[in-house]
Amino acid sequence: AQSVTQPDIHITVSEGASLELRCNYSYGATPYLFWYVQSPGQGLQLLLKYFSGDTLVQGIKGFEAEFKRSQSSFNLRKPSVHWSDAAEYFCAVRYPTGGYNKLIFGAGTRLAVHP
Amino acid sequence: DADVTQTPRNRITKTGKRIMLECSQTKGHDRMYWYRQDPGLGLRLIYYSFDVKDINKGEISDGYSVSRQAQAKFSLSLESAIPNQTALYFCATSDPGETQYFGPGTRLLVL
Repeated sequence: AQSVTQPDIHITVSEGASLELRCNYSYGATPYLFWYVQSPGQGLQLLLKYFSGDTLVQGIKGFEAEFKRSQSSFNLRKPSVHWSDAAEYFCAVRYPTGGYNKLIFGAGTRLAVHP
Repeated sequence: DADVTQTPRNRITKTGKRIMLECSQTKGHDRMYWYRQDPGLGLRLIYYSFDVKDINKGEISDGYSVSRQAQAKFSLSLESAIPNQTALYFCATSDPGETQYFGPGTRLLVL
């Protein structure tokens, strides 16, 4: 069955440090890939997406992600974290299934940022 | 103004009560969705609608029903609420490129 795995439930980094959030998926073909961020009390906001082409994609707020087909991964990175980046991050994958392209979310990674 | 709005933002109800969560969008999208979020489980799809006449069950539709009153409005009902329906509920729309846009969520507590 298709699935999305975010291995890290919680991550804590210091402000200014680099960040990498991991995402792995299981699917036979290349899916569409998304990263969303959920700030406290807010809905989910799209950070970036990958459909095809260049495997390194740039998003909003200084985030980027790299699609690695050989590892079935789509890890999110940021070179220097800001305190305002503290939030929960969700990786999502779109799988075509008949008439509906199903979007499956990972369980999320909660990021804390130390001053 | 927000593109996707949900009302109410918070709701406390009792077991057995019928409640309705409402969603409106101004993005002009045909596709709308209802999800629930539980800690450690991410978001799970309850129902989705591709247009006013097309409504489909998601992965966890039992105990829920929906109504698509117009292109811009998609309501979720709990016919007889139970405590394990306590969760955060999100409405979303999607554009032709299938990027989903989420509302702020409704936090529901069933006692």
